[in-house]
Amino acid sequence: GAVVSQHPSRVICKSGTSVKIECRSLDFQATTMFWYRQFPKKSLMLMATSNEGSKATYEQGVEKDKFLINHASLTLSTLTVTSAHPEDSSFYICSATAGYNEQFFGPGTRLTVL
Amino acid sequence: AQSVTQPDIHITVSEGASLELRCNYSYGATPYLFWYVQSPGQGLQLLLKYFSGDTLVQGIKGFEAEFKRSQSSFNLRKPSVHWSDAAEYFCAVGGVRGNEKLTFGTGTRLTIIP
Repeated sequence: GAVVSQHPSRVICKSGTSVKIECRSLDFQATTMFWYRQFPKKSLMLMATSNEGSKATYEQGVEKDKFLINHASLTLSTLTVTSAHPEDSSFYICSATAGYNEQFFGPGTRLTVL
Repeated sequence: AQSVTQPDIHITVSEGASLELRCNYSYGATPYLFWYVQSPGQGLQLLLKYFSGDTLVQGIKGFEAEFKRSQSSFNLRKPSVHWSDAAEYFCAVGGVRGNEKLTFGTGTRLTIIP
């Protein structure tokens, strides 16, 4: 099956710094990638949808300037959390699709902001 | 607007017993339905999916689910659970294309007792 990777798997940063999370489709070209956020013991909340070569579409309530998403190629999307604060600590999961019927999920990135 | 309801937050089942996890959805058109499993600190693994055709779908790890349009339900079942099935289970609904966003339920945490 299709494989999606995320890097890093865990990151700890200081408040006020920026953190970049990568999402890669390893064996297929992803026309669309999604970024989700999951709070402890909660469901996944879609943050944004990104299509290769175009601007991401953010869900209502998600700050575009805080969560920068770039989908520069068909195999890579990045999420940058700018000026991170402790409330941004969460589990971030990406998924990728080639436009067929299924999204393939990455293993997630645990972000802790001190 | 699409939505998914998983009415059971937490279920405890004895090893070897049968299991049913409930999922109800709301979707304006023909839904694509999914069940995912998540182990602690991990990403999501697809158990099974329903797009069309036979309303009883088989998945991995011995799981199955039945789509009932009249009840807007897509319940997950397993005839005999194993200790390794302890995890969080998410039901999700999406559109006809993989690049349409998924809406997740709040999840059901499954605990297995010896």
